[in-house]
Amino acid sequence: DTAVSQTPKYLVTQMGNDKSIKCEQNLGHDTMYWYKQDSKKFLKIMFSYNNKELIINETVPNRFSPKSPDKAHLNLHINSLELGDSAVYFCASSQRGAGAQETQYFGPGTRLLVL
Amino acid sequence: DQQVKQNSPSLSVQEGRISILNCDYTNSMFDYFLWYKKYPAEGPTFLISISSIKDKNEDGRFTVFLNKSAKHLSLHIVPSQPGDSAVYFCALDGGSNYKLTFGKGTLLTVNP
Repeated sequence: DTAVSQTPKYLVTQMGNDKSIKCEQNLGHDTMYWYKQDSKKFLKIMFSYNNKELIINETVPNRFSPKSPDKAHLNLHINSLELGDSAVYFCASSQRGAGAQETQYFGPGTRLLVL
Repeated sequence: DQQVKQNSPSLSVQEGRISILNCDYTNSMFDYFLWYKKYPAEGPTFLISISSIKDKNEDGRFTVFLNKSAKHLSLHIVPSQPGDSAVYFCALDGGSNYKLTFGKGTLLTVNP
């Protein structure tokens, strides 16, 4: 069973379109995350949700809107896609959050290419 | 402003020898340190971690060393195996929030 799954795995779209990436975890974790790995290969946190509540928003453009319908899901919707949004987006989850020394578990990534 | 640096983008090692991957950081607030391994087209997978109250943690072939005064973290793999070939990321947790700060990664190639 996949612990953290993401769909789609690949996404190719035109500039200006709106797209969504879905993430689900079956680990029973309370906290979920979205990371972006850009062309320079840095993995950077975008958002974090704890029990469906937004905890971290790392100065991401408001074209990016995360939505957590329940603890097991954290979706990422992107409006008006731009060329610079091309990257690999990773979802992750962990048991708890702030102050806890814990491990985050990552999904396989969604490779987004904006043309 | 990189808080976490992995200065070697790549490392090549012969099978059976030791692989040493390094990570330097600038922020003393980090108190939990992790190494992740990533294969192409997959997400990072957790490998080993160490708390700031320790200076060494060992798990099989993998050992992580922490030198807090030097703000330096290293991962030793011995003996190295071809299946260890992957990108290795160090990731640091400041504890006061929910995020990990990652280095840029080091591509390890273990040659048979």
